[in-house]
Amino acid sequence: NAGVTQTPKFQVLKTGQSMTLQCAQDMNHNSMYWYRQDPGMGLRLIYYSASEGTTDKGEVPNGYNVSRLNKREFSLRLESAAPSQTSVYFCASSEPSVGRVSTEAFFGQGTRLTVV
Amino acid sequence: QKEVEQDPGPLSVPEGAIVSLNCTYSNSAFQYFMWYRQYSRKGPELLMYTYSSGNKEDGRFTAQVDKSSKYISLFIRDSQPSDSATYLCAMSARNTDKLIFGTGTRLQVFP
Repeated sequence: NAGVTQTPKFQVLKTGQSMTLQCAQDMNHNSMYWYRQDPGMGLRLIYYSASEGTTDKGEVPNGYNVSRLNKREFSLRLESAAPSQTSVYFCASSEPSVGRVSTEAFFGQGTRLTVV
Repeated sequence: QKEVEQDPGPLSVPEGAIVSLNCTYSNSAFQYFMWYRQYSRKGPELLMYTYSSGNKEDGRFTAQVDKSSKYISLFIRDSQPSDSATYLCAMSARNTDKLIFGTGTRLQVFP
């Protein structure tokens, strides 16, 4: 049972380069998320998608774009990477139940991104 | 300033101690409260979920929510070295699935 799969696991970019982080889930969940995790800052929401074709900004969306092309996949794109985007990126998915709210989010293993 | 704040720790306790982890929040719309545990170099995993104010117990873990004070707590009884991890609180408001996390508290339980 794969759950949430993120690729790649590690990446080094030069400043100004672009890349796309991929995320796929096999649990038929409607909600998907992208977070970044930095020391002392916890998990900060970058973008959120409530369903296929919909996306919403989170706490720190600047410098990122997302795409929810289908129910399984939610990608995060860095158009022009900056050293401030060095972080660990987590994708997560969940399924709303009571009150349109999920009771549990499932996370991938993370992507460690370094921008030099 | 983040909507959800936690003491980052690290918190270091001896095996068998009672641990108290806390979060404060500013958004009064939050009604769903969760605690996640994250081991080093892994993704977070759900530990407990509570709705609105009150207590919830699960084995050695007890979650408390005080909405009037915008304060939530996680208590760990008889702490074990295997409890050593980062603990993150998370919360969401009614009619939205947007999940907001705290900054996390790193806990170390030594034998």
